[in-house]
Amino acid sequence: EAQVTQNPRYLITVTGKKLTVTCSQNMNHEYMSWYRQDPGLGLRQIYYSMNVEVTDKGDVPEGYKVSRKEKRNFPLILESPSPNQTSLYFCASSSSVLATEAFFGQGTRLTVV
Amino acid sequence: GQNIDQPTEMTATEGAIVQINCTYQTSGFNGLFWYQQHAGEAPTFLSYNVLDGLEEKGRFSSFLSRSKGYSYLLLKELQMKDSASYLCAVRALYNAGNNRKLIWGLGTSLAVNP
Repeated sequence: EAQVTQNPRYLITVTGKKLTVTCSQNMNHEYMSWYRQDPGLGLRQIYYSMNVEVTDKGDVPEGYKVSRKEKRNFPLILESPSPNQTSLYFCASSSSVLATEAFFGQGTRLTVV
Repeated sequence: GQNIDQPTEMTATEGAIVQINCTYQTSGFNGLFWYQQHAGEAPTFLSYNVLDGLEEKGRFSSFLSRSKGYSYLLLKELQMKDSASYLCAVRALYNAGNNRKLIWGLGTSLAVNP
């Protein structure tokens, strides 16, 4: 089954404790991205990757890092999480940046206290 | 700037038809998407329009007018499970280069009542 898998689904952590949210897709997609979704602000892109070893900043990259060492995986790293990073996070993938459809992971609800 | 507008909330009755509008102002338009998102869940793809006109897919149809910067999503024979947020997104140029990105509306929360 074609899917994008994120882990964990829920996470509560403390300020400053490094964490990684994993994202994996099994569709051989080139384009992957991370979004955060906040009430009243909608979906905002954090980082994206056009292909292996090619990543770039989205609209709200501060406080986040990503890597794309393999095509299927695109982890999101918070080196020193802060309460303003409390949000619902989605990973998405598509065959290319010009694809007609994107697939989203199940979401990760992160709370930083 | 680049902007997408859609109504915040709508209410409709089970079995009825509802139209959700989306207007946009972007540069380098390269397609408009509609996604459905149930509360706390991932967005799921509904439709894609890149040329003017109507695309029909079962109970859902989507219309695009590029000259007017306007799209609508039409939902027929509404069911209770259609209660969700409907997100309009436009793919457009976002810097001086040839790069494109999705610009998302804030979503329209649709409540279907019995």
